[in-house]
Amino acid sequence: EVQLVESGGGLVQPGGSLRLSCAASGFTFNSFWMNWVRQAPGKGLEWLAIIKQDGSEKLYVDSVKGRFTISRDNAKNSLYLQLNSLRVEDTAVYYCVGGAGWFLHYWGQGTLVTVSS
Amino acid sequence: DIVMTQSPDSLAVSLGERATINCKSSQSVLSDSKTDNYLAWFQQKPGQPPKLLIYSTSIRESGVPDRFSGSGSGTDFTLTISNLQAEDVAVYYCQQHYASPLTFGGGTRVEIK
Repeated sequence: EVQLVESGGGLVQPGGSLRLSCAASGFTFNSFWMNWVRQAPGKGLEWLAIIKQDGSEKLYVDSVKGRFTISRDNAKNSLYLQLNSLRVEDTAVYYCVGGAGWFLHYWGQGTLVTVSS
Repeated sequence: DIVMTQSPDSLAVSLGERATINCKSSQSVLSDSKTDNYLAWFQQKPGQPPKLLIYSTSIRESGVPDRFSGSGSGTDFTLTISNLQAEDVAVYYCQQHYASPLTFGGGTRVEIK
């Protein structure tokens, strides 16, 4: 069974940093592109970033470019998102999502990031 | 960026009837090979992550009931839920997986009339 389990969310002040992690199991992690998608409370879905199987290619939405960094460790079957210079509007549930190609097949349950003073 | 526009924002349908959700992309999502339109549909129930229903316009994900079907081409796409069941109450999102940044529609809430 495919499992994606996010962790690392919490309350942080504006301007602060967090590192989100996603532990993957039940599939060949190093065969999948991996993504982060977020959802602000009561709002829709926003794709944030994608990383290629070997980590050689990374793409970001403009709103997080330069502030967030996606990375992966295939030896640990793990995906990461480093969040810097956090803003109130970054408050959201952050989902780890994997798939063949750019398909968003498998979703974790999400981890909540709250940015507030 | 490709903008995805869904309509309606919400709809109420009687059990056993058909629900139709529309999605329009601001530019074509037709693959370079001209064989696939890279459009997906997701279902999200309260308190749950989204679930992939359909990708490449009309390919149902494994385990998705065949009352869910997708159609369309170019910039106009449709998700049809035939014979609506109580468990289909959810918010549905379209998403293009053609170009970065991947983008979603604003969502359509489906309720029982």
